[in-house]
Amino acid sequence: ETGVTQTPRHLVMGMTNKKSLKCEQHLGHNAMYWYKQSAKKPLELMFVYSLEERVENNSVPSRFSPECPNSSHLFLHLHTLQPEDSALYLCASSQGVWEQGHEKLFFGSGTQLSVL
Amino acid sequence: AQSVAQPEDQVNVAEGNPLTVKCTYSVSGNPYLFWYVQYPNRGLQFLLKYITGDNLVKGSYGFEAEFNKSQTSFHLKKPSALVSDSALYFCAVRDGGFKTIFGAGTRLFVKA
Repeated sequence: ETGVTQTPRHLVMGMTNKKSLKCEQHLGHNAMYWYKQSAKKPLELMFVYSLEERVENNSVPSRFSPECPNSSHLFLHLHTLQPEDSALYLCASSQGVWEQGHEKLFFGSGTQLSVL
Repeated sequence: AQSVAQPEDQVNVAEGNPLTVKCTYSVSGNPYLFWYVQYPNRGLQFLLKYITGDNLVKGSYGFEAEFNKSQTSFHLKKPSALVSDSALYFCAVRDGGFKTIFGAGTRLFVKA
């Protein structure tokens, strides 16, 4: 185990549903990330949080809404998604976003999302 | 903007043979380079990184990578492949900021 837990593992939702993905890290890290993984495409960085403050929103549509209530928890709230949003959503954490030597990312196992 | 290219979708190698998974990058400034591996139904796991120093970096599970600044490459290598090495491998780059940018991944298949 990497110390990063994501729930649920699988999620099927309709385009009008509202759901949330949860991520929890047990590593004492200060930075958390959401990535989107689609087949045969580079991992797509979505959001970056440092000490619960969002430092990056990588041109992600507003139907994805992140929330970081504390440095251990990260959520991704989903509403009115499109079928092309179907993908594996990965959460990651690191000790910090700026500190040299602490750039290694620790990933959760992901949530496989299917939008019907 | 930084970017990573992994030119091969899949690499096939026989068990016991050496393997190479290719990666080239583009970044302004000095690059921080990484390799991660993803096994089925799992998240990515860190293998190794290059920050500075010796161009040959050693990592987990017998893997190593060679940094070549003139060719902007960071190829992953292993002298003798194992069937258990079969997985999806990702190269990544960071430019000293906080964004780690990944390639599309290369699937390694090691045949017994």
